[in-house]
Amino acid sequence: EPEVTQTPSHQVTQMGQEVILRCVPISNHLYFYWYRQILGQKVEFLVSFYNNEISEKSEIFDDQFSVERPDGSNFTLKIRSTKLEDSAMYFCASSVPDNEQFFGPGTRLTVL
Amino acid sequence: QKEVEQDPGPLSVPEGAIVSLNCTYSNSAFQYFMWYRQYSRKGPELLMYTYSSGNKEDGRFTAQVDKSSKYISLFIRDSQPSDSATYLCAMRSSGSARQLTFGSGTQLTVLP
Repeated sequence: EPEVTQTPSHQVTQMGQEVILRCVPISNHLYFYWYRQILGQKVEFLVSFYNNEISEKSEIFDDQFSVERPDGSNFTLKIRSTKLEDSAMYFCASSVPDNEQFFGPGTRLTVL
Repeated sequence: QKEVEQDPGPLSVPEGAIVSLNCTYSNSAFQYFMWYRQYSRKGPELLMYTYSSGNKEDGRFTAQVDKSSKYISLFIRDSQPSDSATYLCAMRSSGSARQLTFGSGTQLTVLP
């Protein structure tokens, strides 16, 4: 069964460093998403991406964040200058239009 | 008032019990309703996906949506220890807005 994959599973970084989280969405899906979940809190939407551009973003997704689909299979989330409060699980998801969103296993980001 | 409210539990039941999980919401624009299961430090796994009001059954799982009351439910019949997880409700409006709004999750333990 096709699934969303994410790498790395765990990323440790120093405050102020840039990190790139990678995702491979399900191959025939057209919409891609990033969500995050701070430990003990609810899953929060960050951004959605369709046709090579951002279609929606939340207040969390400020200028420190960017997304890119660098090739036909990968979808990345970049955090330019990480803060302590960016420590969270980051989930990638993908969907076909108006259908279910399928989530990847997540990347645990720890900012020291 | 929070947009989506979910009783965090924890909820503990004996094996074989019927489990009822619920969410209420305030945004009348929500049209699509989902239930995800999340094991500790893993990605949300889609269980049920429904559009508008009504019931949907899949094996031991039944999802109910009552839009007039802004209330959704997930029933698990013949619960198993492997059902022990956190259950997340999620919802979104129709049209171009595809971001999911999640509840905080209900932690369920099924005792053998």
